Amino acid sequence: KAGVTQTPRYLIKTRGQQVTLSCSPISGHRSVSWYQQTPGQGLQFLFEYFSETQRNKGNFPGRFSGRQFSNSRSEMNVSTLELGDSALYLCASSLAGAAYGYTFGSGTRLTVV
Amino acid sequence: GDSVTQMEGPVTLSEEAFLTINCTYTATGYPSLFWYVQYPGEGLQLLLKATKADDKGSNKGFEATYRKETTSFHLEKGSVQVSDSAVYFCALSDRNAGNNRKLIWGLGTSLAVNP
Repeated sequence: KAGVTQTPRYLIKTRGQQVTLSCSPISGHRSVSWYQQTPGQGLQFLFEYFSETQRNKGNFPGRFSGRQFSNSRSEMNVSTLELGDSALYLCASSLAGAAYGYTFGSGTRLTVV
Repeated sequence: GDSVTQMEGPVTLSEEAFLTINCTYTATGYPSLFWYVQYPGEGLQLLLKATKADDKGSNKGFEATYRKETTSFHLEKGSVQVSDSAVYFCALSDRNAGNNRKLIWGLGTSLAVNP
């Protein structure tokens, strides 16, 4: 079966711009979670969507937002980009949540200049 | 709050050496425990998991046992290969609010295996 697809793989943006990242989960998976990975902070939870509803949210500012569509595809948006937003953004697909185990996408590498 | 502590890397081994990567955790209740692996340039892959005390997770020659008495979940492999070179992450499920909706992660341990 197809894996988790994240697009784009790489992005370079300028400070102050906004960006939208996309994730298509494994077919049948209703839970999509987003994580930010940086060398200094490691993996930080952004939010989780389940059946189009945000179920849980991490400690990130309101500039980070997301949504999930009826086909379970998810997008995350970062507005007013800052240099510190440079990171690998990972999407994790799961049947029903973290305890079931995640399947991750390859990530989107965002560089803010 | 819940937390995961992993041994710092990098760990460098010769092929066929024995591997141990230590992981200890702090959690309320009874979390599930996981090891994920990240190969260069890729996302993370679930390596193994254990859901209750004394469970042993195993996959691809790797093993880890859920030790509640020592709050540990150490990763072991008897004979590593060059292809095992990667970053290994220990994680636990967060039972906050009664749902395992996110993972709490260790910082990762980089493993390099030389031929």
